Amino acid sequence: GIQVEQSPPDLILQEGANSTLRCNFSDSVNNLQWFHQNPWGQLINLFYIPSGTKQNGRLSATTVATERYSLLYISSSQTTDSGVYFCAVEANDYKLSFGAGTTVTVRA
Amino acid sequence: DTEVTQTPKHLVMGMTNKKSLKCEQHMGHRAMYWYKQKAKKPPELMFVYSYEKLSINESVPSRFSPECPNSSLLNLHLHALQPEDSALYLCASSQESNLPRGTEAFFGQGTRLTVV
Repeated sequence: GIQVEQSPPDLILQEGANSTLRCNFSDSVNNLQWFHQNPWGQLINLFYIPSGTKQNGRLSATTVATERYSLLYISSSQTTDSGVYFCAVEANDYKLSFGAGTTVTVRA
Repeated sequence: DTEVTQTPKHLVMGMTNKKSLKCEQHMGHRAMYWYKQKAKKPPELMFVYSYEKLSINESVPSRFSPECPNSSLLNLHLHALQPEDSALYLCASSQESNLPRGTEAFFGQGTRLTVV
């Protein structure tokens, strides 16, 4: 099956800092999503972005499908941004496969 | 409305019990999924239903039995579970699973299951 690698595994930020999370995948994908999992386990949809660039407030994402990677940008981080960020991809097999996640801790 | 609702939020069950997890969506989605997530790990796919038919079973043990009574509901029946089955069980839905391009999946808040 498709391999999904996320980096870095852990990220500690001071409030107000900017950061970039990366997702590499091993094959062509039909779907790529970024999620934020809060401490209660809820997976919150951030972006549905199989290709191109999107922005939503302080968050933005870019997927370069031909080079098989996606980036999630967090600007002016806040303590509420803490949590685990997952990249998930779907190839032609209708299975959404998750990377191992990046654990982000934002300190006040 | 992009809501997937799961009940119960928490469940403690003994190894000889039978229980069910429930999932409901009213977005008109025709694909529904069960995922299992262990602590500090990513979600792992268990089952996919497409148009109320089981289309993918990721070699899940038979003590987990899925059911899709209609296009809005998805159940997961649990019987004779082991302590290692303790995990967060997540339900998801998406518009369709057989389009040429994938569609966005939405997740419920999960059921945190403890087997004692």
